[in-house]
Amino acid sequence: GDSVTQMEGPVTLSEEAFLTINCTYTATGYPSLFWYVQYPGEGLQLLLKATKADDKGSNKGFEATYRKETTSFHLEKGSVQVSDSAVYFCALIGNRDDKIIFGKGTRLHILP
Amino acid sequence: SQTIHQWPATLVQPVGSPLSLECTVEGTSNPNLYWYRQAAGRGLQLLFYSVGIGQISSEVPQNLSASRPQDRQFILSSKKLLLSDSGFYLCAGMVWGESTDTQYFGPGTRLTVL
Repeated sequence: GDSVTQMEGPVTLSEEAFLTINCTYTATGYPSLFWYVQYPGEGLQLLLKATKADDKGSNKGFEATYRKETTSFHLEKGSVQVSDSAVYFCALIGNRDDKIIFGKGTRLHILP
Repeated sequence: SQTIHQWPATLVQPVGSPLSLECTVEGTSNPNLYWYRQAAGRGLQLLFYSVGIGQISSEVPQNLSASRPQDRQFILSSKKLLLSDSGFYLCAGMVWGESTDTQYFGPGTRLTVL
């Protein structure tokens, strides 16, 4: 079945460092891909998404490109801030599916 | 756009007590609705989803149950809570046919079973 694999955390970076959180997926057809963020003590928020190959989702300085050839949707940010400390979830929805499949989440710590 | 409401925000319950968590949806009709659990140190686990009134699919066998008495209402229940039921419970909604094709999440309920 469909699945999402993302790099395990925690990831610890200094402020203004470059961030990459890897995400790869397995799915039939052309799924929609998402990154969700969960700040401490809060629920999930949609960070960005891409619905077809080569689409780039972006929000709050974060970017991710839908790579069909490598089945990847890596999350990147050029200069992280302390306020970016959170848990990040990669997810997919398959074609005409009723369910969203999440990765296990990556905890990110940004040090001042 | 959709808004997902959940309550209570925090709940502390003794082992063996019943549970009822409510989720309501605003701003759309006929959504797919979902209950997720996030246990400490673990990722998200899909518990139940519903594509319509009275239609419930269970993903994981356990002592929890779900009901959908109305189009915009989704309830998570238990007759007797276990310690292992502690966690963060999230309700989500999704409407097919929208251009966004996205799940919207409620604020969550943190359940502690003692």
